[in-house]
Amino acid sequence: DAGITQSPRHKVTETGTPVTLRCHQTENHRYMYWYRQDPGHGLRLIHYSYGVKDTDKGEVSDGYSVSRSKTEDFLLTLESATSSQTSVYFCAISESASGGPTDTQYFGPGTRLTVL
Amino acid sequence: AQSVTQLGSHVSVSEGALVLLRCNYSSSVPPYLFWYVQYPNQGLQLLLKYTSAATLVKGINGFEAEFKKSETSFHLTKPSAHMSDAAEYFCAVSGRVYSGGGADGLTFGKGTHLIIQP
Repeated sequence: DAGITQSPRHKVTETGTPVTLRCHQTENHRYMYWYRQDPGHGLRLIHYSYGVKDTDKGEVSDGYSVSRSKTEDFLLTLESATSSQTSVYFCAISESASGGPTDTQYFGPGTRLTVL
Repeated sequence: AQSVTQLGSHVSVSEGALVLLRCNYSSSVPPYLFWYVQYPNQGLQLLLKYTSAATLVKGINGFEAEFKKSETSFHLTKPSAHMSDAAEYFCAVSGRVYSGGGADGLTFGKGTHLIIQP
């Protein structure tokens, strides 16, 4: 158990509203990731962080922003939610401080977001 | 750029039969490969990973995978399927490596849903 929690676990919102999802970890892992999971697409990387205030874009970053002001929290924000952002969002951490390519990533339980 | 192709969005096998889930990869750098399993309404759990130490990798729950560079494959197998193996399986390849040693996340295949027939 990598001590990852996500909140909320479920959310229904309307198009055009801002939404923030939170990922919280308890073990001071340096690298954190946000993915979205959609049927027929597997998981796709949205953004990742390699330290406090250090973030970078992933494959599908348009329409999303992130922030990391503390080691333990990585926030994902949809500034103006659209129906295409209906998805299941997973947070992950990398097992080591180096975040190297052989590291195992551990995943949180996910947040199911529905945008009407 | 990396990519992963999983052949077959659904695979159905009988309980006790061999499980074979196929994964082919494309990578411009030496690949590091992972298999994850996802049970309904849960997050992903690592089954096994290839990090170049050995081409035959053994994982949890009786699964194993063999890295074949000549075939750019990393297929997942289990000799005898159990009802509890029914789940979604994802193959993934590790991302680009930066000068600081960190990588930018995993690239996943689209997943294979494994169905176990009694």
